[in-house]
Amino acid sequence: DAAVTQKPRYLIKMKGQEAEMKCIPEKGHTAVFWYQQKQSKELKFLIYFQNQQPLDQIDMVKERFSAVCPSSSLCSLGIRTCEAEDSALYLCSSSWTGQDTQYFGPGTRLLVL
Amino acid sequence: GDSVTQTEGQVTVSESKSLIINCTYSATSIGYPNLFWYVRYPGEGLQLLLKVITAGQKGSSRGFEATYNKEATSFHLQKASVQESDSAVYYCALRPMNYNQGKLIFGQGTKLSIKP
Repeated sequence: DAAVTQKPRYLIKMKGQEAEMKCIPEKGHTAVFWYQQKQSKELKFLIYFQNQQPLDQIDMVKERFSAVCPSSSLCSLGIRTCEAEDSALYLCSSSWTGQDTQYFGPGTRLLVL
Repeated sequence: GDSVTQTEGQVTVSESKSLIINCTYSATSIGYPNLFWYVRYPGEGLQLLLKVITAGQKGSSRGFEATYNKEATSFHLQKASVQESDSAVYYCALRPMNYNQGKLIFGQGTKLSIKP
């Protein structure tokens, strides 16, 4: 079975603080995706990396988030200044290429107080 | 833009009865999108249930099946006889065929509860 790892599993921040979460993709996978899910609703695409380069991202990520993949085995998603609306489950997925099946990690649940 | 609609947020079915979870989609990109059903069992992560990448084809897994209907733009999930272990949240998703796009677009999910 694919094993995408995410850390931490839970994160509590005060409004205005910075948050960072990490994702370790499945070994050999070259595509990494981040999604945001609020209150068990639909998963919302945030950003897509291919071979560590960002290829697609939504405006919110450009404006308020910092996302990098410094190596093929580690990616991170950061929020520069947390807001209450950022409280959500953040899911990372990886795949062999952008067109292959995505395998999801367990997620990081962020609560902003 | 592209979107996926699951009309039922929650469905309750008696054990051994049949199931259908509705999914319709709207795709604006060139070509037909790939379609997926993902599932999240209680306490577990999101996992792929089945996928169909060719319009008109049927996908199946674990007794579930879904047919890619490009005329109706639907991808309903069906099972002839549900079991208690099928209790989970089911998400329909599409992947557009645009260049440099690997992202998935998800529906809101349908929570399936099984009555013994």
